[in-house]
Amino acid sequence: EAGVTQFPSHSVIEKGQTVTLRCDPISGHDNLYWYRRVMGKEIKFLLHFVKESKQDESGMPNNRFLAERTGGTYSTLKVQPAELEDSGVYFCASSQDLRGTEQYFGPGTRLTVT
Amino acid sequence: QQQVKQSPQSLIVQKGGISIINCAYENTAFDYFPWYQQFPGKGPALLIAIRPDVSEKKEGRFTISFNKSAKQFSLHIMDSQPGDSATYFCAASMRGNYQLIWGAGTKLIIKP
Repeated sequence: EAGVTQFPSHSVIEKGQTVTLRCDPISGHDNLYWYRRVMGKEIKFLLHFVKESKQDESGMPNNRFLAERTGGTYSTLKVQPAELEDSGVYFCASSQDLRGTEQYFGPGTRLTVT
Repeated sequence: QQQVKQSPQSLIVQKGGISIINCAYENTAFDYFPWYQQFPGKGPALLIAIRPDVSEKKEGRFTISFNKSAKQFSLHIMDSQPGDSATYFCAASMRGNYQLIWGAGTKLIIKP
């Protein structure tokens, strides 16, 4: 069974540009999460989808971040316009169980904004 | 405000020794406490998890000890091996809320 995949693995963009990160969850997993780890800090929750619906987006830092999950399959996270403080590793995770506790993580996308 | 505090930040243990990583939490509404293991270039992988109705859970060489009254939980790695060298994260979540609240991570190095 394929795990959670993320694309790209690395992205380097200039301040003010737009970047879109993609996540493909494990097939059949209704729950999809985005997390972010800024250098030297703890991993922080961004948002949670149940199928195509946003269940909780309390962790989204501001309106420059837009997440979508078309048809309840893959998800995208767009940052527009990117700022220096957006640099970090963005992780996607998915889970099948209703409790959402066993979350399986992708390898992450390392975003560098210069 | 950091809700889950993890220590130490880094740890060096000799092969065959016991590695111990500690976490403390503040919110008594937390009811699920997982530990994740992360190797360089990979995402965090669930290692072992515990709920507050038990004080200890063991899976192979990995044990979680949970102290509800002290609001602390720890990961013990017995007979530590060089392949255990990784970053370990503790986390917590509340019933009805799926988001994981993370500790800052511990970089563990096992010396051969």
